[in-house]
Amino acid sequence: NAGVMQNPRHLVRRRGQEARLRCSPMKGHSHVYWYRQLPEEGLKFMVYLQKENIIDESGMPKERFSAEFPKEGPSILRIQQVVRGDSAAYFCASSPWRDTGELFFGEGSRLTVL
Amino acid sequence: AQKVTQAQTEISVVEKEDVTLDCVYETRDTTYYLFWYKQPPSGELVFLIRRNSFDEQNEISGRYSWNFQKSTSSFNFTITASQVVDSAVYFCALSAHNNAGNMLTFGGGTRLMVKP
Repeated sequence: NAGVMQNPRHLVRRRGQEARLRCSPMKGHSHVYWYRQLPEEGLKFMVYLQKENIIDESGMPKERFSAEFPKEGPSILRIQQVVRGDSAAYFCASSPWRDTGELFFGEGSRLTVL
Repeated sequence: AQKVTQAQTEISVVEKEDVTLDCVYETRDTTYYLFWYKQPPSGELVFLIRRNSFDEQNEISGRYSWNFQKSTSSFNFTITASQVVDSAVYFCALSAHNNAGNMLTFGGGTRLMVKP
C-alpha cells in the first residue's frame, strides 16, 4: 500500500518563476489537504479539496496560489511568481472520508526560492 | 475557531530522563480529535497518536504515554527514559468537526533535544 506521494521532494526556483507541487493521495482517498510549514514554525492549513472541488481555501494566500484536484491525476498546488517568503515545506495529507480524524501525510515538498 | 498551544518551545534533557510535552487546546465543538506528530531532523511527519474527544482513557505505547484531560483541555505527552533518537520537534494538533472536514490546527511545536 503506497502512502501519500509528493513530488518533487525538493524544488529550487528563482524569484518570479512558477512552482508546481504534486500530491497523489493514498488509494481510495478522495479528500486532500495542503499545509505549509514556514521555517521554525508549525504547520498551517492552506486548502481542502475533494475530487474536482475546492471545499475550503481559507488558508490560501489571496494571490499567486492556486490548488486543484482533478478527476484524474494528482492534486497540484501551484505558486506563481514565487518570492523568497514562499520558501517553506509544503505537506499534503489525504483521508478516505470526511470527519473521521484519519489523516495521512506525505513526506513534504521543500521549496527554496533564490 | 480552534487553537492549540504548546507553551514549551524548546526542551533539553539528558538521556534516560523522563520528559513531558504540554498541549492545551481550545474548541467549541463537542466532537473532535487530538493528535501528536513527531518531526525528526529529516523533516517528515510521523504520526504518533489520535484520540477522540469521547475517549479520555490514558494511553501507553512503550516509552510513550498520553494524558488526556478534558476538564483542563489538555493532551500531554510523556516520554519515559528518553533516548537520543527522540530528539525531534513534536506537534500537537486538533481536528474539529466543521465545514473543513479533517482540517488540523497545529500547535507551534516543541523542540526536544536529548543529550547523551
